[in-house]
Amino acid sequence: DADVTQTPRNRITKTGKRIMLECSQTKGHDRMYWYRQDPGLGLRLIYYSFDVKDINKGEISDGYSVSRQAQAKFSLSLESAIPNQTALYFCATSDTRFAGRTDEQFFGPGTRLTVL
Amino acid sequence: GEDVEQSLFLSVREGDSSVINCTYTDSSSTYLYWYKQEPGAGLQLLTYIFSNMDMKQDQRLTVLLNKKDKHLSLRIADTQTGDSAIYFCAESKGGGATNKLIFGTGTLLAVQP
Repeated sequence: DADVTQTPRNRITKTGKRIMLECSQTKGHDRMYWYRQDPGLGLRLIYYSFDVKDINKGEISDGYSVSRQAQAKFSLSLESAIPNQTALYFCATSDTRFAGRTDEQFFGPGTRLTVL
Repeated sequence: GEDVEQSLFLSVREGDSSVINCTYTDSSSTYLYWYKQEPGAGLQLLTYIFSNMDMKQDQRLTVLLNKKDKHLSLRIADTQTGDSAIYFCAESKGGGATNKLIFGTGTLLAVQP
């Protein structure tokens, strides 16, 4: 079974709709992240959370919000989707015990979102 | 990742060596990483190097770090078709408990049979 899962895997929606992407992990990690991937731009950090009560904006948080419902769950919402939010979205986790050291992040399989 | 730059594409023949290059900006980064993304999948850590090292070798992979020039490279010896993927370098920023990773733009490696 996958350690980091994302739902849905694919979603097509229309401009102005509210969308929620969900991420769950069974790794027992306290840190979770949301990235978007665009061709030629690599991965850009949207939001990150170091524990259930800690939420931080990344470099491109405008138009997005997040909720850390439990240690194992971190959801990303697009309040009013627009076409330039069409991208591949990844959730990732890491363990605080390795912060500042190897700090490996473990990625989900991604959600491909298309906003028409 | 505007702070970390890579060339977008590299094509090699099977059996040749591949060299993927990366430049980063934060000289205080403690660790530098190479992640691999296979088609339709998320990223997986391939290897990493501690900033006080110049080189790290792991089977077919060799990582070279030039801290003076802030240049990182990944060499894959005897490249196979299964090595075809997007490779991301990443640097650590913030340090300690607030550490975050900044990813590069990714290099698509295409291995021709």
